[in-house]
Amino acid sequence: DAGVIQSPRHEVTEMGQEVTLRCKPISGHNSLFWYRQTMMRGLELLIYFNNNVPIDDSGMPEDRFSAKMPNASFSTLKIQPSEPRDSAVYFCASSFLDHTGELFFGEGSRLTVL
Amino acid sequence: QKEVEQNSGPLSVPEGAIASLNCTYSDRVSQSFFWYRQYSGKSPELIMSIYSNGDKEDGRFTAQLNKASQYVSLLIRDSQPSDSATYLCAVTTNTGFQKLVFGTGTRLLVSP
Repeated sequence: DAGVIQSPRHEVTEMGQEVTLRCKPISGHNSLFWYRQTMMRGLELLIYFNNNVPIDDSGMPEDRFSAKMPNASFSTLKIQPSEPRDSAVYFCASSFLDHTGELFFGEGSRLTVL
Repeated sequence: QKEVEQNSGPLSVPEGAIASLNCTYSDRVSQSFFWYRQYSGKSPELIMSIYSNGDKEDGRFTAQLNKASQYVSLLIRDSQPSDSATYLCAVTTNTGFQKLVFGTGTRLLVSP
């Protein structure tokens, strides 16, 4: 299996620009998670989907962030407008909802907002 | 109070020693506990899971859980330089779904 695929791996943009991060989960997994990681706050859950339905978006920092999962094989995380404090590594992870707790992470998208 | 707390480290141990990593959590109804390892610049990967009080061993790794004290630990025996990484403790929340909350991680340095 190819694993969780994220794009882009690196993104440098200017404040105010729109940023779209993409994720393809592992085929057959029915749960998808977006996390953000910074040195100060560690790994924070932003939103997770089960069977393409958003279950909990309480971690989304504000209305500038939105996430969609139009089908089982694709998800996006959008930031509009972006701000320097959004600079972080954004991880997508997927799992099969069997409560084993094993999340399979993508390689992450490193976002820098200037 | 953070939901999952870890000492950020770094924890430095010599090669061959036992490394002990600790984690406390605040939600008393948490049921599942995990240790993930993250190498610098890489993504986290699961190394251990534990669900009931006591010890669980897997090779050089032992996870220990004490629900009464809301405490979970990871012991790494015969530490190797390749064990140098950040170790993330993760706990499920009482949401009915698989929602993991991570600690900020403890950085482990194993010197040759």
